[in-house]
Amino acid sequence: DTAVSQTPKYLVTQMGNDKSIKCEQNLGHDTMYWYKQDSKKFLKIMFSYNNKELIINETVPNRFSPKSPDKAHLNLHINSLELGDSAVYFCASNRGLDEQFFGPGTRLTVL
Amino acid sequence: DQQVKQNSPSLSVQEGRISILNCDYTNSMFDYFLWYKKYPAEGPTFLISISSIKDKNEDGRFTVFLNKSAKHLSLHIVPSQPGDSAVYFCAASEYRGGSNYKLTFGKGTLLTVNP
Repeated sequence: DTAVSQTPKYLVTQMGNDKSIKCEQNLGHDTMYWYKQDSKKFLKIMFSYNNKELIINETVPNRFSPKSPDKAHLNLHINSLELGDSAVYFCASNRGLDEQFFGPGTRLTVL
Repeated sequence: DQQVKQNSPSLSVQEGRISILNCDYTNSMFDYFLWYKKYPAEGPTFLISISSIKDKNEDGRFTVFLNKSAKHLSLHIVPSQPGDSAVYFCAASEYRGGSNYKLTFGKGTLLTVNP
């Protein structure tokens, strides 16, 4: 009965690899988001999708590519991983001005 | 350029007393403000919000105050309980058209409520 779920919860990988993080929401929301929380604890928006359409792209490197196969899913693919990509990535969803519901986060460590 | 600032990284209060968490913002386009609570290894969870047309919103032990002229908001928790110990994020919403709203978060304040 999890509202917003992410997989995997932890991801450890080498520099230069390509990896994906998956997100699913069962709340019937039409907008989904990816956030990055870096080592300084700032929680910053990366992307938002509304009905599978990209709406917000906050100057994120091209190595990051979100993909929304349907309204309930928003996956994040990262190419050529760099040390600075190490962070906790949160998926979220909402409808309109309603509060955003967050997933549990994926801790990515790039070695 | 931090548009939402939480200047106190941590706050410690005694159980039963009031906790006051503060937040300042710089962007006049923000029209909706939210507080989120976050426990370790979990995602943030929504606590309470306030529209820019109001100056106070109350929900049980939690009250948010907004001073629009000072671009300042605060979250009051009365009485504080040990289970309230968590990181509290202030967030400000900006309308981006359609049904899209961009949230900008502060850095968070770690609240510790001592029994």
